[in-house]
Amino acid sequence: DIQMTQSPSSLSASVGDRVTITCRASQSISSYLNWYQQKPGKAPRLLIYAASGLQSGVPSRFSGSESGTDFTLTIRSLQPEDFATYYCQQTYSTLTWTFGQGTKVEIK
Amino acid sequence: EVQLVESGGVVVQPGGSLRLSCAASGFTFDDFSMHWVRQAPGKGLEWVSLITWDGGSTSYADSVKGRFTISRDNSKNSLYLQMNGLKTDDTALYYCAKEGPNSGFYYDYWGQGTLVTVSS
Repeated sequence: DIQMTQSPSSLSASVGDRVTITCRASQSISSYLNWYQQKPGKAPRLLIYAASGLQSGVPSRFSGSESGTDFTLTIRSLQPEDFATYYCQQTYSTLTWTFGQGTKVEIK
Repeated sequence: EVQLVESGGVVVQPGGSLRLSCAASGFTFDDFSMHWVRQAPGKGLEWVSLITWDGGSTSYADSVKGRFTISRDNSKNSLYLQMNGLKTDDTALYYCAKEGPNSGFYYDYWGQGTLVTVSS
């Protein structure tokens, strides 16, 4: 099975900061990598699909990139509504999709 | 408007059974594969199972294989998860999720979840 290692598990940041979250796949997954945001008590929300595609309605301060088996979610200028938990997800393995462990972004 | 509404979550004893349902609306249900994803209290997301648009293929996480069965009724726009041999580790909020369009390998819509508690 493909394992996804997400880091860091948590971070503290201030409004206006640039934030990066990384996800590493245990093997090549091409660009089959998505990012979701989840706020307490809510279902996850798709931010980025296929490594770098911005989902409709998602602010442009969110972006995704890839380098080999390493994937990065960047929030260009953190806003108050961005404090949440973020998950990566691989969908390369057609019949077994897996998530990273999550990154909680907290207010410094 | 796309809506996914889960139901069926209750408190059940270890070893018990339960069937979850997900009622879909606002899209052509039989055009899309559907998934179940769960989240234990205070924990991360765990993919559970998927079923293709016609029910022809299914897949399960190792943690539930042999105990859970996913199914769908396209005439009723409904997705199901039959859960047998429940364990305390199965306690979680269970979400149904819809795959994206054009064979999009991502979830563009999620339900709000239904809570399953396995406890004696």
